Amino acid sequence: KQEVTQIPAALSVPEGENLVLNCSFTDSAIYNLQWFRQDPGKGLTSLLLIQSSQREQTSGRLNASLDKSSGRSTLYIAASQPGDSATYLCAVSGGGADGLTFGKGTHLIIQP
Amino acid sequence: DADVTQTPRNRITKTGKRIMLECSQTKGHDRMYWYRQDPGLGLRLIYYSFDVKDINKGEISDGYSVSRQAQAKFSLSLESAIPNQTALYFCATSDSNGYNEQFFGPGTRLTVL
Repeated sequence: KQEVTQIPAALSVPEGENLVLNCSFTDSAIYNLQWFRQDPGKGLTSLLLIQSSQREQTSGRLNASLDKSSGRSTLYIAASQPGDSATYLCAVSGGGADGLTFGKGTHLIIQP
Repeated sequence: DADVTQTPRNRITKTGKRIMLECSQTKGHDRMYWYRQDPGLGLRLIYYSFDVKDINKGEISDGYSVSRQAQAKFSLSLESAIPNQTALYFCATSDSNGYNEQFFGPGTRLTVL
């Protein structure tokens, strides 16, 4: 059974810092990996999707990497802003059409 | 307008009641999913559907049923609600041509007393 772990569970940093969120998964036979953002009481917003054949994806100040063989992904946030405060979720898809297996998230606070 | 909508957004019900949560999408996606989110447990898959004629159980389907009424509509039913089904429920969609990138609705907060 696939298991996804996110470290750290919570993180608080001053505005302007670059930071890295970590995600690991136990079964390397994934189809893709997706990073989401969730604001309190809200739905999930897709940030980046990395296909299993890709090594990284970038969107604005966000960069996600994937090392499938070692079962790891990182989300790099550059020049953090208070508006980046949210819970960040990592999820993997094991096949072409099945559901996602989620980590429990990293709760990020950016201090003004 | 939101691409994936869920109704109701909040619901309080009593143990033993039947309740239906509805999901509609305008993204034109063929695949739809239901997840629940619990504090400390994260999101878990309840059911998913590849198309109107296909329904599949997820990790935690016991106590739930679903109906795919049309490509754009996917409903989740609790036949006899119990307190441990109190959770935040999310619907999601994906396109079979789009690497299974999933897009989520705003969620339904369900409380079973």
